[in-house]
Amino acid sequence: DIQMTQSPSSLSASVGDRVTITCRASQAISNYLAWYQQKPGKVPKLLIYAASTLQSGVPSRFSGSGSGTDFTLTISSLQPEDVATYYCQKYDSAPFTFGPGTKVYIK
Amino acid sequence: EVQLLESGGGLVQPGGSLRLSCAASGFTFSTYAMRWVRQAPGKGLECVSSITGSGGSTYYADSVKGRFTISRDNSKNTLYLLMNSLRAEDTAVYYCAKAMSWSGYVDYWGQGTLVTVSS
Repeated sequence: DIQMTQSPSSLSASVGDRVTITCRASQAISNYLAWYQQKPGKVPKLLIYAASTLQSGVPSRFSGSGSGTDFTLTISSLQPEDVATYYCQKYDSAPFTFGPGTKVYIK
Repeated sequence: EVQLLESGGGLVQPGGSLRLSCAASGFTFSTYAMRWVRQAPGKGLECVSSITGSGGSTYYADSVKGRFTISRDNSKNTLYLLMNSLRAEDTAVYYCAKAMSWSGYVDYWGQGTLVTVSS
């Protein structure tokens, strides 16, 4: 099975900072990669699919890139409401594995 | 508006059984694959099961294979998860999720239902 890893596991940044989260697949998954945001106590929310396509309604400060095995989620200007855990997920085939998550805090 | 409403969670003893339901509305239910994703307290997300729109194909994570059964009733727009031989490690919030296709991302999530396995 393909394993998904994320780095860092947590980060703290200031409001307005540019934040980058990395997701790596143990084998190539083309662009079958989604990013989800889960705020504390809330349901996960789709941010990006097909590695770089922004879901409707998601702020443009979020962006995704990558293909194959290496992917990134970037928040161009961190806002207080972005405090959350971010998960990547492969969906090319079962198992539809999630990464372990990256917790984002405000410094 | 897409809505997914889970029910059936609760407290159950180890070795017991529980059936979760997910009532769907706001989309053509039979057209979309559906998944059950769980989250243990303070932990990450795990896709435990998936089913195609027709119900003809299913997937189970190794952690639940042989104990859980996913099914759907397209006439009732309802997804199910029958959980047998429950273990303490099955304790989690179980989310019903709509996928764009079998090999598709999840675009909508239910609010989740808590399953607690404890004596």
